Amino acid sequence: KQEVTQIPAALSVPEGENLVLNCSFTDSAIYNLQWFRQDPGKGLTSLLLIQSSQREQTSGRLNASLDKSSGRSTLYIAASQPGDSATYLCAVNIEGTALIFGKGTTLSVSS
Amino acid sequence: GAVVSQHPSWVICKSGTSVKIECRSLDFQATTMFWYRQFPKQSLMLMATSNEGSKATYEQGVEKDKFLINHASLTLSTLTVTSAHPEDSSFYICSARAPRGSGRPYEQYFGPGTRLTVT
Repeated sequence: KQEVTQIPAALSVPEGENLVLNCSFTDSAIYNLQWFRQDPGKGLTSLLLIQSSQREQTSGRLNASLDKSSGRSTLYIAASQPGDSATYLCAVNIEGTALIFGKGTTLSVSS
Repeated sequence: GAVVSQHPSWVICKSGTSVKIECRSLDFQATTMFWYRQFPKQSLMLMATSNEGSKATYEQGVEKDKFLINHASLTLSTLTVTSAHPEDSSFYICSARAPRGSGRPYEQYFGPGTRLTVT
């Protein structure tokens, strides 16, 4: 059964720092890997989707990489801002199945 | 981009009553939708997979008689929480899978969620 682990569970950084969030999954036969952002009490905002044939995706200050063979992904956030404070969720699916989520990393960026 | 809506966005009900939550794909047809539940400070847990025109597939530990799922059309799936109890209070989120032929197969588009409080 696919399990997704995110490290660290929580992270506090000062504004301007570059940071890396980690995600690992047990079954490497994934189809998609997605990173989401969730603000308190809100729904999900999709940040980046990496298909299994891809190695990375970039959007603005965000860069996500995928190493499918080792079962790992990282989300890199450059020049962090207080507005980046949120919970970041990593999720994977195998072809045809639902996304399975990790427990998330709660990020706090102080000004 | 693909848009998924949920209704209601929040609901308060009394213990023992039933609550229906709707999930709609607004600009695409979705043969498959998913229902998730999220307790406070927890991650999303998959409850069931809803396929248009057939019975839903429930995850282990999810009571199918308590959480009734109906996917009667290609744009609408409903989740009915029957005989709700305070422990059913949670954030329920649906998603719809991208249609075949779309640029990113098997991508899921999420609704904004429904917060259920059972008193």
